[in-house]
Amino acid sequence: SYVLTQPPSVSVAPGKTATITCGGNNIGFKRVHWYQQKPGQAPVLVVYDDSDRPSGIPERFSGSNSGNTATLTISWVEAGDEADYYCQVWDSTSDHYVFGAGTKVTVL
Amino acid sequence: QVQLVESGGGVVQPGGSLRLSCAASGFTFSSCAMHWVRQAPGEGLEWVALISYDGINKFYADSVKGRFTISRDNSKNTLYLQLNSLRAEDTAVYYCATDSQRYFDSWGRGMLVTVSS
Repeated sequence: SYVLTQPPSVSVAPGKTATITCGGNNIGFKRVHWYQQKPGQAPVLVVYDDSDRPSGIPERFSGSNSGNTATLTISWVEAGDEADYYCQVWDSTSDHYVFGAGTKVTVL
Repeated sequence: QVQLVESGGGVVQPGGSLRLSCAASGFTFSSCAMHWVRQAPGEGLEWVALISYDGINKFYADSVKGRFTISRDNSKNTLYLQLNSLRAEDTAVYYCATDSQRYFDSWGRGMLVTVSS
């Protein structure tokens, strides 16, 4: 089955840029989606189809996808961005939905 | 706006059964494919099942296939998940979510299922 690899944690100072990677075999050929989950809350979609943002999501959240790595970038990081972030794809081979293990973003 | 409210969770013994419900409002439920996604305590997200808008097509994660059944009642705007032959590793918060082009765009608050003797 398709595997997505994320770093367990990323630390970033307020006002700086956080970069979260999501690795997968030829992931550039898939559409990647990103979710933010704060403690005790349901996940929230922050980026879909590699780089599109749902309404209400700040422009500070952006995404890209190429080759074997997709990336979620959070610019001008704020304390409220501290959360777990998950990447997700649909695996057409198995018709299954796959999540990465998640990355905990800590704002220093 | 979209509202998804899960119910039916609780504590059940290994080998037991439970049925989860997800009441939907704020959108045209009968036109929307729906998912169940779960999250074990302290762990990441795991997709569980998908049902098409009309209830005809159903897909399951390998970990639950043959034990869980997803269904829906479009007349009641409600999604269901029947959990049978429960195991300790099925302990998790179960979320219902709407499908939009192969991603999950709205989520419920989740419902805890604990499998323990």
